[in-house]
Amino acid sequence: NAGVMQNPRHLVRRRGQEARLRCSPMKGHSHVYWYRQLPEEGLKFMVYLQKENIIDESGMPKERFSAEFPKEGPSILRIQQVVRGDSAAYFCASSPRGIGEQFFGPGTRLTVL
Amino acid sequence: SQQGEEDPQALSIQEGENATMNCSYKTSINNLQWYRQNSGRGLVHLILIRSNEREKHSGRLRVTLDTSKKSSSLLITASRAADTASYFCATALGAGGTSYGKLTFGQGTILTVHP
Repeated sequence: NAGVMQNPRHLVRRRGQEARLRCSPMKGHSHVYWYRQLPEEGLKFMVYLQKENIIDESGMPKERFSAEFPKEGPSILRIQQVVRGDSAAYFCASSPRGIGEQFFGPGTRLTVL
Repeated sequence: SQQGEEDPQALSIQEGENATMNCSYKTSINNLQWYRQNSGRGLVHLILIRSNEREKHSGRLRVTLDTSKKSSSLLITASRAADTASYFCATALGAGGTSYGKLTFGQGTILTVHP
């Protein structure tokens, strides 16, 4: 059973461009979470999705950020018009249930020039 | 203040010694989890302790939970150089509501084990 997969692993964007981060959960997992980690800090929750539904987006910035988890395909975290402050590592996690252990992907490191 | 604050921020020990990290939190929880992160990598789940449990063991790991003090500790016994990593506690809130699934992480403890 492959683990959580994220791509790309590294993404460089210029200010004003769009960033699309993909996450494929573990097989059989319908719960997906996105977290952001700034340098030397812990992870901050962004959004929690369960197949086609956003359950909790309380950690998402109100503008420029969106997330989806379609019926088919990976979950996507989309950042429009990126700014330097968006530079961070973005981690996706999945779980088979809405509570308990979460399985993390390797992360996408976004650098905004 | 944040839910899930660890101390110390950094811990440096010799191989073979024990390492203890502490975590405090502020709200009622369903469970508390400890994760490990090697530099530049994703997080690896170490252990989960439920709110009705007081102590749990897994190999060289021992976790305690004191819900009256809203605190937890992670003990790594007989440490090895390979244990060098950042360790994070994360809390999951009580059942019900949309926050049910999300984890709130502390700032982490950086553990360095010298050979």
